[in-house]
Amino acid sequence: QKEVEQNSGPLSVPEGAIASLNCTYSDRGSQSFFWYRQYSGKSPELIMFIYSNGDKEDGRFTAQLNKASQYVSLLIRDSQPSDSATYLCAVKGGSTLGRLYFGRGTQLTVWP
Amino acid sequence: EPEVTQTPSHQVTQMGQEVILRCVPISNHLYFYWYRQILGQKVEFLVSFYNNEISEKSEIFDDQFSVERPDGSNFTLKIRSTKLEDSAMYFCASRGTKGDQPQHFGDGTRLSIL
Repeated sequence: QKEVEQNSGPLSVPEGAIASLNCTYSDRGSQSFFWYRQYSGKSPELIMFIYSNGDKEDGRFTAQLNKASQYVSLLIRDSQPSDSATYLCAVKGGSTLGRLYFGRGTQLTVWP
Repeated sequence: EPEVTQTPSHQVTQMGQEVILRCVPISNHLYFYWYRQILGQKVEFLVSFYNNEISEKSEIFDDQFSVERPDGSNFTLKIRSTKLEDSAMYFCASRGTKGDQPQHFGDGTRLSIL
């Protein structure tokens, strides 16, 4: 069973701060990693994906991947109250169509 | 921006009844998926589908479940005899076949079994 673990949270940061969300995975052969944002009662919305070691930046979001440590993170700079949501880490499995294995999510609250 | 659409948004059904959840994947996507999320729990994979065949299914996807692409646009999930524990959000997802593209999710169907 492939496991994806996220820091349990909830995480609370003030507006304008950096929010750091962490994720570890059990399958050393995993190659593709995704961060989804999920508002309460809504569907997962793709935020970032990363396939190579290092950092990948998109606006206020930076994904970081360290395959040797089996660790992926998401940094949100200049956090806004609208960023308040649950952030899901997902790891793509090795099958042809690549099912996603999700973590339980970290609930982030950004307070004004 | 193209999106995955799901209907209905909410389905209430008596235990033992059959339900069909419908999805229209993004038009140029050929890989399709169903996931579910029980309230307060993580998103769980059910099944993946390509070229009119199931590619992979989880242990959740037992004989009560089936999937079908009845025409060129729809992708359906059928639960034959619903149980109370089938109550969950069901998400359809699709992705393109070129390279390693991410999966895009529909808004989901909330299934409530009474």
